[in-house]
Amino acid sequence: GAGVSQSPSNKVTEKGKDVELRCDPISGHTALYWYRQSLGQGLEFLIYFQGNSAPDKSGLPSDRFSAERTGGSVSTLTIQRTQQEDSAVYLCASSLMGSGGKETQYFGPGTRLLVL
Amino acid sequence: GENVEQHPSTLSVQEGDSAVIKCTYSDSASNYFPWYKQELGKGPQLIIDIRSNVGEKKDQRIAVTLNKTAKHFSLHITETQPEDSAVYFCAASRTGRRALTFGSGTRLQVQP
Repeated sequence: GAGVSQSPSNKVTEKGKDVELRCDPISGHTALYWYRQSLGQGLEFLIYFQGNSAPDKSGLPSDRFSAERTGGSVSTLTIQRTQQEDSAVYLCASSLMGSGGKETQYFGPGTRLLVL
Repeated sequence: GENVEQHPSTLSVQEGDSAVIKCTYSDSASNYFPWYKQELGKGPQLIIDIRSNVGEKKDQRIAVTLNKTAKHFSLHITETQPEDSAVYFCAASRTGRRALTFGSGTRLQVQP
């Protein structure tokens, strides 16, 4: 079946503009995660959704970052007033609901964000 | 919070040789340890994982070992092939916290 999809695949924006990144999880997966990968670095957790609620937002780096999920499916990550340090690959993952901390997370291809 | 350290950052081997990547973690409550392979321009793909109730797991040419006492785990790839060339990430999580904490990655290059 279809995997996790993300759009756009690439986004170039000017400093100070807002951007929206979209994630379509695997059908039936109730858990959804956003991670950020800076150039040459590992993945940094941003936020986790279970259904439409976000029980763990601990990784969001500032109040310029927000995310929502509707209908237990699609999620949008919004970055307001973008800064150059926001440039990174934003990865989305999804997993089936199950015993916490041990489900396989399946990743999308990412959105490459460049803030000029 | 959890901290995962990964070594080496780059690894070059000849085709057919073995490759070993090592990770250490800080949170003794961590009980799930996946390994991901990331090819250029793609998202990470799970290649193998291990739970804390076992010490070793194998899947064809890939194996992972876990030493809970020392808080380290390793990925072993035998008979490496050029298509194994990629960036490999280790990660850790624990019951009650779904977020994965990742290592910084190892760039594996298999020379034909």
